[in-house]
Amino acid sequence: DGGITQSPKYLFRKEGQNVTLSCEQNLNHDAMYWYRQDPGQGLRLIYYSQIVNDFQKGDIAEGYSVSREKKESFPLTVTSAQKNPTAFYLCASNTAQGGSETQYFGPGTRLLVL
Amino acid sequence: AQSVSQHNHHVILSEAASLELGCNYSYGGTVNLFWYVQYPGQHLQLLLKYFSGDPLVKGIKGFEAEFIKSKFSFNLRKPSVQWSDTAEYFCAVNRVGNDYKLSFGAGTTVTVRA
Repeated sequence: DGGITQSPKYLFRKEGQNVTLSCEQNLNHDAMYWYRQDPGQGLRLIYYSQIVNDFQKGDIAEGYSVSREKKESFPLTVTSAQKNPTAFYLCASNTAQGGSETQYFGPGTRLLVL
Repeated sequence: AQSVSQHNHHVILSEAASLELGCNYSYGGTVNLFWYVQYPGQHLQLLLKYFSGDPLVKGIKGFEAEFIKSKFSFNLRKPSVQWSDTAEYFCAVNRVGNDYKLSFGAGTTVTVRA
């Protein structure tokens, strides 16, 4: 059963703590993306990666970090520098070849600050 | 920066009513256009897309959208909505040659009353 999995479904962060959100895909997609969804603001791009061991900042990268050591995995770390981390985080992927492929989304992780 | 505007934040209508959601974007080059839908408790999923060709595109569940290049618009329509169409709808734009990054509108919440 192909798709994108994100874990955990809910995550709680304490003050000053770094937390890591998992994103795994078995679609053999080259490109992966992290978005943040806030009410009334749509989705905003945090980081993206088009190939293993390479990634680029999106529109709101400050306070976040990523790695892309494997094609199927693109974890996102929310660092203590991110002052307003409470949001719904969505991971997406596409083939990144040919120019117009659709992005497919995971179920999301909701991050809450204690 | 490219922006995507969705004109309505929340739309409430009765079953069998017609639906039209507006979407405008600001980039003047070649774009790919998408409408995504997020049903309550479900993944964000693709409703329809436009890459090239016939500007009137048909998607799943009876939805269609029309690309009007001169107006930088990609409005979503459905002639007769059902209660199950209650969801949040997002317009997204990808600027061709821009690393397949999507820019999303703020979303429109559609509530269909039985």
